[in-house]
Amino acid sequence: DAGVIQSPRHEVTEMGQEVTLRCKPISGHNSLFWYRQTMMRGLELLIYFNNNVPIDDSGMPEDRFSAKMPNASFSTLKIQPSEPRDSAVYFCATQTGNSPLHFGNGTRLTVT
Amino acid sequence: GQNIDQPTEMTATEGAIVQINCTYQTSGFNGLFWYQQHAGEAPTFLSYNVLDGLEEKGRFSSFLSRSKGYSYLLLKELQMKDSASYLCAVDRGKFQFGAGTQVVVTP
Repeated sequence: DAGVIQSPRHEVTEMGQEVTLRCKPISGHNSLFWYRQTMMRGLELLIYFNNNVPIDDSGMPEDRFSAKMPNASFSTLKIQPSEPRDSAVYFCATQTGNSPLHFGNGTRLTVT
Repeated sequence: GQNIDQPTEMTATEGAIVQINCTYQTSGFNGLFWYQQHAGEAPTFLSYNVLDGLEEKGRFSSFLSRSKGYSYLLLKELQMKDSASYLCAVDRGKFQFGAGTQVVVTP
């Protein structure tokens, strides 16, 4: 099992550019979560999907953020346009049933 | 976050025991998880409690009281490698995390 796979591992971009983060869940896991982690705010839930359907996006900070899960094997988190305050580590995590969350290695985003 | 409270930092010496408390709002509770996160890495699963009582896994134990909205993680025979942040997470259909407790193990 390759675990949750996120790409890229690091992203450095300029303010105003579009950023797309990618996640491949563990096969068979039907719930997928996107989190953002900063020193100030800790681990914040942005959005989560069950069976590819968005269930709760109340944590998405503003309209600049969007997430999709077109199929059970792939999800994206997009920021357009990006701002310096979006700099953080973004984690994707998946699970099924009562199993614990399994985290990807994260994407460290720096917006200059 | 989301009314999940845990101490910010704890310091203990190698070989000692440390107990990290976590309190949470009981509404919508399905279970409680503890995660360990080393600096620059992703959180990794440590333990899971859904019923009241103590769950033991080697040097780590976790306790839950659902009526009190209270859990603790007990780390025994501390090792230097246990220096990390420990995150309490509540499953309410969605997983919500506390801010984490930074444990510093000193020689």
